[in-house]
Amino acid sequence: QVQLQESGPRLVKPSETLSLTCSISGGSISNYYWTWIRQPPGKGLEWIGYIQNSGSSKFNPSLKSRVTISVDTSKNQFSLMLRSVTAADTAVYFCARPMTPDQTDGFDVWGLGTMVTDSS
Amino acid sequence: DIQMTQSPSTLSASVGDRVTITCRASQNINSWVAWYQQKLGKAPKLLIYKASNLESGVPSRFSGSGSGTEFTLTITSLQPDDFATYYCQQYFSYWTFGQGTKVDIK
Repeated sequence: QVQLQESGPRLVKPSETLSLTCSISGGSISNYYWTWIRQPPGKGLEWIGYIQNSGSSKFNPSLKSRVTISVDTSKNQFSLMLRSVTAADTAVYFCARPMTPDQTDGFDVWGLGTMVTDSS
Repeated sequence: DIQMTQSPSTLSASVGDRVTITCRASQNINSWVAWYQQKLGKAPKLLIYKASNLESGVPSRFSGSGSGTEFTLTITSLQPDDFATYYCQQYFSYWTFGQGTKVDIK
């Protein structure tokens, strides 16, 4: 059974870059849309972007200018970088995987989530 | 961008009640809708996909319906474990979530 685990710094200084990694266990980083989603405290869920094992990626237009998602197939990991962080980026960050390879779908696999706070 | 408008934002109910949550899409999204349950401090859990398909392991008291722009999640007999927040999600064009519905104890 595939499991996901987020890791990375919990505090980020304003204007700096948030960096998180999602490690995949129990399966290979095959042809899924490996995704990042975030949830500010007390608020709803926001799709950030995804990457495929080929390196092809798509991003939420509202974040596109600040986001990079990369993949390391040798380590079975994918990573998120969010530049120029502000207080509005304080959130729980989840990595997730859709049900079906090579297409958008509901997310049946989620990481536990990691809370990242703007250190201001 | 496709917007998902979910209602109500809060719902107070008792054990055994029938509960209905509605989601409206800003454009036709066929049946590309999922529903999730989220408990405090946990990741969302997939309940329903493609508008009406029950995810494996999810109790049959949960059901989904709708197509086009109007979608519904129904819990036929609310159980103590069901008090949580529920989200709809479209995946016709990437992903967008509704604002959430918190189901609390009446």
